[in-house]
Amino acid sequence: QQQVKQSPQSLIVQKGGISIINCAYENTAFDYFPWYQQFPGKGPALLIAIRPDVSEKKEGRFTISFNKSAKQFSLHIMDSQPGDSATYFCAVSASGGSYIPTFGRGTSLIVHP
Amino acid sequence: ETGVTQSPTHLIKTRGQQVTLRCSSQSGHNTVSWYQQALGQGPQFIFQYYREEENGRGNFPPRFSGLQFPNYSSELNVNALELDDSALYLCASSFNRGQDEQYFGPGTRLTVT
Repeated sequence: QQQVKQSPQSLIVQKGGISIINCAYENTAFDYFPWYQQFPGKGPALLIAIRPDVSEKKEGRFTISFNKSAKQFSLHIMDSQPGDSATYFCAVSASGGSYIPTFGRGTSLIVHP
Repeated sequence: ETGVTQSPTHLIKTRGQQVTLRCSSQSGHNTVSWYQQALGQGPQFIFQYYREEENGRGNFPPRFSGLQFPNYSSELNVNALELDDSALYLCASSFNRGQDEQYFGPGTRLTVT
């Protein structure tokens, strides 16, 4: 049983466009929602994270939107650049579970120049 | 400050053999988590070590075992290798059981033939 469902599996956007990746979860005990970026041959790196007390968090071109009632959160990449081409993973974790993350299956993003 | 390092980078083993993977945590970090990432999937949590003791375990059989040393470096041991064990094995370090950001190493690519 998947604890977090991520979509789409792959995404192609043009340079300057907006990339949107969505995740949905079931367990309301989750209270930490990070997004990771992974380049080929590298481990995942934390990109941005949100806690359920806010509905949106923005860091540069990256924004997380969080809908607690719908149990969904999404990553928006504004002005997408070719250097953003990578695999993106959402994750869910709980303070009661030592913040050990459960990852989504990933979204492969390609940004065409 | 050095990041998380893992060795070896790549490894090829035969079914039934045993393997040991190594991880050096980031300076100042006392927690190490291990993940298995199959091709095209998100990382799956194997176990976590905090101050040399196991602090949580995912849904992996007992032939996956680990150690954390006094300098907080860690080993992952896998006995009786199976073809399905072929994956990227990631180590992540953090301070105080992941309440802060986890920093991932580049991983060890294990191929079982």
